[in-house]
Amino acid sequence: DVKVTQSSRYLVKRTGEKVFLECVQDMDHENMFWYRQDPGLGLRLIYFSYDVKMKEKGDIPEGYSVSREKKERFSLILESASTNQTSMYLCATGTSSLSEQYFGPGTRLTVT
Amino acid sequence: GQNIDQPTEMTATEGAIVQINCTYQTSGFNGLFWYQQHAGEAPTFLSYNVLDGLEEKGRFSSFLSRSKGYSYLLLKELQMKDSASYLCAVRVPNDYKLSFGAGTTVTVRA
Repeated sequence: DVKVTQSSRYLVKRTGEKVFLECVQDMDHENMFWYRQDPGLGLRLIYFSYDVKMKEKGDIPEGYSVSREKKERFSLILESASTNQTSMYLCATGTSSLSEQYFGPGTRLTVT
Repeated sequence: GQNIDQPTEMTATEGAIVQINCTYQTSGFNGLFWYQQHAGEAPTFLSYNVLDGLEEKGRFSSFLSRSKGYSYLLLKELQMKDSASYLCAVRVPNDYKLSFGAGTTVTVRA
C-alpha cells in the first residue's frame, strides 16, 4: 500500500511566522504535489515536483515555496504566514505513468 | 485554465441510487478521475476513465463521453457510509497535474 504522511494534522501559527509543512512518501514516486482545499473552491494546486530539486508552479503559488532535496520528501514553505493561508493542505504523490494520485491525510493550518 | 463543474450538494435515501454529474471544458483530455473524500480525511481514488463508456466497480460506476465533455459517477444501493464529498478531476495531455472540480457533497439519509 502507498503511504503518504504529513508532518502535522493540525497546526496553529501566528501571522508573519515561517511555516514548514512536510510530506513523506514510501513508494518511490517521481511526482509529488501540494494542494490547498477550501470550501466551495475544491483542490487547487500550489506547486508540484517531478524529480529531486525540480519544481513547477501550480495555479496558486503566490506566498509559497517548496523544496525537494530527496525523492521521498516534499516540503511546502510559507515564508510569512498570513490569515488568508488558513486552509487544509494536502500532499499527493504519483508515478510518471500518470496514473492516479495518492493523498496524505492533510494538515489543517490556522493562521491567527 | 481548466473548467470543471459538478453540483454542490445532493441528498438521497439509504438504498437508493444517486448520479453525480461532472462537465469539463479543458485544453485537451487525458483521463478523468473520481475521488471520494470523507469529512476531515484525504481523498481516496474511486475510478478512472479515459475511453468513452461505462466502468463498473461494485456499487460504483463511472461513465465518460469525451465528445460531450461529460462524466457521471453512479452510486447504487446507497449506504450511510457513502455520505462524503465526491471529487471529479481531469488530466490534460503532457501535464502531470490534475484539475479538480469543487466537489459534490452527498448526504445519505435513513
